[in-house]
Order: sequence, then C-alpha cells, then structure tokens
Amino acid sequence: EAQVTQNPRYLITVTGKKLTVTCSQNMNHEYMSWYRQDPGLGLRQIYYSMNVEVTDKGDVPEGYKVSRKEKRNFPLILESPSPNQTSLYFCASSFGGSRGRYTFGSGTRLTVV
Amino acid sequence: AQSVAQPEDQVNVAEGNPLTVKCTYSVSGNPYLFWYVQYPNRGLQFLLKYITGDNLVKGSYGFEAEFNKSQTSFHLKKPSALVSDSALYFCAVRVSGNTPLVFGKGTRLSVIA
Repeated sequence: EAQVTQNPRYLITVTGKKLTVTCSQNMNHEYMSWYRQDPGLGLRQIYYSMNVEVTDKGDVPEGYKVSRKEKRNFPLILESPSPNQTSLYFCASSFGGSRGRYTFGSGTRLTVV
Repeated sequence: AQSVAQPEDQVNVAEGNPLTVKCTYSVSGNPYLFWYVQYPNRGLQFLLKYITGDNLVKGSYGFEAEFNKSQTSFHLKKPSALVSDSALYFCAVRVSGNTPLVFGKGTRLSVIA
C-alpha cells in the first residue's frame, strides 16, 4: 500500500530533550515536506525537500532541523524542544513538480512539558 | 507570495442540503489548486485538484469545486450533504516551479441530521 509512515504517533517529552520524528514514504516521491498544525493557524510548513540532499526552509523553521540522505526518509529533528513546539505534525510527499498531490502521514502529536 | 483564504471558520448545513465551503487565493502566475479533508485523528486526505482545463472539477465522495479566475476563487461544493461529511476542510495552492503547497486555515464543516 502506498503510504507515508510517521513515528511515533504520540510523544510527550520534556523541555530540552532532543527528539526525532521519523517519516518514510514508499512511493518513490521526490518531494517531501513537514507541516505543523495548530488551532486557528491551519497548516504551516516547517521544511521541505525537493530531492535527496536538497532541503529548504518553510514558513516556521526555527527550532527544527531536517535531513534527506535517502529518497524515502525525511526525519524531523528537534534539538532542544520547547513548549511552543507542542503541536500536531504532519509529513507529506509528492512527485516532483507543482501538479502532484500530496500524500500525508497520520500525524504525530507532540507535547513538550 | 502565494496565499489562501478560507473566510469561514465553521459551516453548518442540514443533511440533504447543498453545501459550499469557500476559498480564495492570491498568486503570481497560474495556480494549481487543491482541496483536502481531515477527519478526527487522521491525516489529510486529497479530495480534488484543479490544474488546467474545465473549470468544474469533480473529486472524491461526490465533491466538486469550481475554479473562477476572475474572482480568484475555488469553492468546494456538494449537492447533498451527509453527516459523514463532517470534517475539517483545507484549500491549498501551489504555482509552477516546485514551490511549496500553501494551505488555508481550514473550515470546519458540520452536517446536522
């Protein structure tokens, strides 16, 4: 089944403790992206990647890192999480070019205390 | 920069009645427009897209959307609403050149039996 897999689905952590949210897709998509969803703000893009070893900042990149060492994986790294990063995170992928539709993962609900 | 506006946070409609969820956009260039739906505790699911051609686009679950270039709108419609259509709906826009997909803030649709 074609899908985007995120792990974990739920995570509670403490301020300052580094964490990684994994994202993997099995559709050979070139384009991958991370979004955060907050009430009243919709989805805001954190980082995106057009292909392997190519990443770029989205609208809200502060406090996050990403890497794209292989085509299928696009992990999101929070080096020192803070409470304002408590949110629902989604990974998405698509074929390259602007016409491709995104396939989304099921989301990761992160709580930083 | 491209942007999307969904002017209604909430839309309420009676089951069996037609529904409309509004979306307007602002881009430089030709837009590629998308609608996604999010059910509780789920990721976003693709509904339909407009790339080029016929202004009326048909999608999943009986939904359709009309592209209106002069009004820069892409409203989502369904002739007869179902209770199961109750969800959060997102409009999104992209332009050519591998640009990111920009989302609106979402409209919560509530269909009442």
